Amino acid sequence: AQSVTQLDSQVPVFEEAPVELRCNYSSSVSVYLFWYVQYPNQGLQLLLKYLSGSTLVKGINGFEAEFNKSQTSFHLRKPSVHISDTAEYFCAVSDPDGTSYGKLTFGQGTILTVHP
Amino acid sequence: DAEITQSPRHKITETGRQVTLACHQTWNHNNMFWYRQDLGHGLRLIHYSYGVQDTNKGEVSDGYSVSRSNTEDLPLTLESAASSQTSVYFCASSEGILAGQETQYFGPGTRLLVL
Repeated sequence: AQSVTQLDSQVPVFEEAPVELRCNYSSSVSVYLFWYVQYPNQGLQLLLKYLSGSTLVKGINGFEAEFNKSQTSFHLRKPSVHISDTAEYFCAVSDPDGTSYGKLTFGQGTILTVHP
Repeated sequence: DAEITQSPRHKITETGRQVTLACHQTWNHNNMFWYRQDLGHGLRLIHYSYGVQDTNKGEVSDGYSVSRSNTEDLPLTLESAASSQTSVYFCASSEGILAGQETQYFGPGTRLLVL
């Protein structure tokens, strides 16, 4: 079974500083990778996803992530964060084959807190 | 605009009672999912459906059931609520055409407290 590990449960940063949220997954085969964001008291929404092709994926709100197959990682980055980026971020993985059709396995989440 | 809604948004119930959480989507999506969110565990899949009359168990399905009688709705039933089922429940849907590649769209969540 797939597993996803988010290496930091909480990440505090100052406004306008860069941030990296780390994600590693267990599968040695091809997978699809996702980052979702959850703002306080809301559901999750997609930030970005990697399906194939370029290993650098750009998403909404200035976020980007890099797929590294050899290290089975999909770290999320933003060069300059804003107070409004304060939220919980989830990494997720999906198998491309039919046996796990559309199912996501989520990491434990990383709470990003941006301080003024 | 298409959306996915959940009701109620907050629910307090007693141990042993049957509880049903509603999920309704107007995306006309084939796939629907129920997750629970607990601190330190992220989101865990309870049940999912690929279409009308189709339901499948996820990793934490014990004590829960679902039924899919139409495309729009996937109600989640707690047969006999337990304190361990206190959690935040999220419903999600996806189009169901491109296996594994699709974005899931999430509802706002239902916060359930079992006393």
